[in-house]
Amino acid sequence: AQKITQTQPGMFVQEKEAVTLDCTYDTSDPSYGLFWYKQPSSGEMIFLIYQGSYDQQNATEGRYSLNFQKARKSANLVISASQLGDSAMYFCAMREGRGAQKLVFGQGTRLTINP
Amino acid sequence: DAGVIQSPRHEVTEMGQEVTLRCKPISGHDYLFWYRQTMMRGLELLIYFNNNVPIDDSGMPEDRFSAKMPNASFSTLKIQPSEPRDSAVYFCASSPRTGGYEQYFGPGTRLTVT
Repeated sequence: AQKITQTQPGMFVQEKEAVTLDCTYDTSDPSYGLFWYKQPSSGEMIFLIYQGSYDQQNATEGRYSLNFQKARKSANLVISASQLGDSAMYFCAMREGRGAQKLVFGQGTRLTINP
Repeated sequence: DAGVIQSPRHEVTEMGQEVTLRCKPISGHDYLFWYRQTMMRGLELLIYFNNNVPIDDSGMPEDRFSAKMPNASFSTLKIQPSEPRDSAVYFCASSPRTGGYEQYFGPGTRLTVT
């Protein structure tokens, strides 16, 4: 079974609109971490945001927020007021187990922001 | 602060040649990771180190691949002999021992084996 599922291979959004990128995960371990990374066309992987399984509040970092719904095992990334520079591949990833280090990545969603 | 540094950024080599990729992690980070990214397989973890010690190399494809971390500021990934199917982008990442253990990636090395 896929550990991380990103069901949207591509999304097209108008500039300044909010965007939600979907991510569902599969684990039976009560301790885990969820991450989002951005990969622009230049190729580098940029860490955006982290959510721990025991965190009570949704993580936020500037225009990025993580909509964490534990019972549904979803960790959607929300980008507010999208900008042209947000066009990129976005990867959801999970670390399972207390102290674990290995990340498992989803297949990614390609986001295109239209002017 | 400097991020993760990788060299070379691009490498083109012929099948059968030895390839060495280099990585300098962020100072103070305890963990170092080597990933490979291809269109077909996405991002795959090859190996990771904790305090210079290899912890999990289950993702290393075969004996042609080897990785070392002789000290806290340097790691190498070696492929010998290289094959065309090794063509990919190889990323090095490092993470601290605290917080969410978020990993910070280097710019990657694009390897082409002809």
